[in-house]
Amino acid sequence: QQQVKQSPQSLIVQKGGISIINCAYENTAFDYFPWYQQFPGKGPALLIAIRPDVSEKKEGRFTISFNKSAKQFSLHIMDSQPGDSATYFCAASGSGGSNYKLTFGKGTLLTVNP
Amino acid sequence: DADVTQTPRNRITKTGKRIMLECSQTKGHDRMYWYRQDPGLGLQLIYYSFDVKDINKGEISDGYSVSRQAQAKFSLSLESAIPNQTALYFCATSDAHRETQYFGPGTRLLVL
Repeated sequence: QQQVKQSPQSLIVQKGGISIINCAYENTAFDYFPWYQQFPGKGPALLIAIRPDVSEKKEGRFTISFNKSAKQFSLHIMDSQPGDSATYFCAASGSGGSNYKLTFGKGTLLTVNP
Repeated sequence: DADVTQTPRNRITKTGKRIMLECSQTKGHDRMYWYRQDPGLGLQLIYYSFDVKDINKGEISDGYSVSRQAQAKFSLSLESAIPNQTALYFCATSDAHRETQYFGPGTRLLVL
């Protein structure tokens, strides 16, 4: 049972455009929703994260939008740059004890053309 | 120096061979994890350890075993490697009170 569904699998955007990646979750006990960025040959690294007490979090060109009632969250990359080309993973976890484990989506390969 | 290191970075082995992947961290974190990454499948948790005496199975532990030799070291073993264990393997660490996981650079394993 896949608890975090991510779409699209791949995305091609022109430089300066907006990249949008969506995730949906099933477990209502989840209360932490990070996005990880992975460049080729590297391990994933935390990009930005949100908790369900807010509907949006922005860090520079990266924004997470969160819809608790729909159990969905999305990553928006404004003014996308070729250097943003990477694989992006959404994830989710609960808090406390073993619930700190992260459940990952399957990833989105983003290509930003110059 | 990298906070989370993995050795080897690349490994080719044959079916039936025993192989060990090693992970070391200098972040002082209690929690360590082993993930497997396959194209299109994301990151799947193999085993995790919340302290030296605590080892837990993840989603896909069959065919794998682990050893937590010290707070800083967590090893993954394939007792008898098979071709469908060909994948990219990542070690990660986290602090006991924070969810952020810090990943190593990965080990690319090919089982012939």
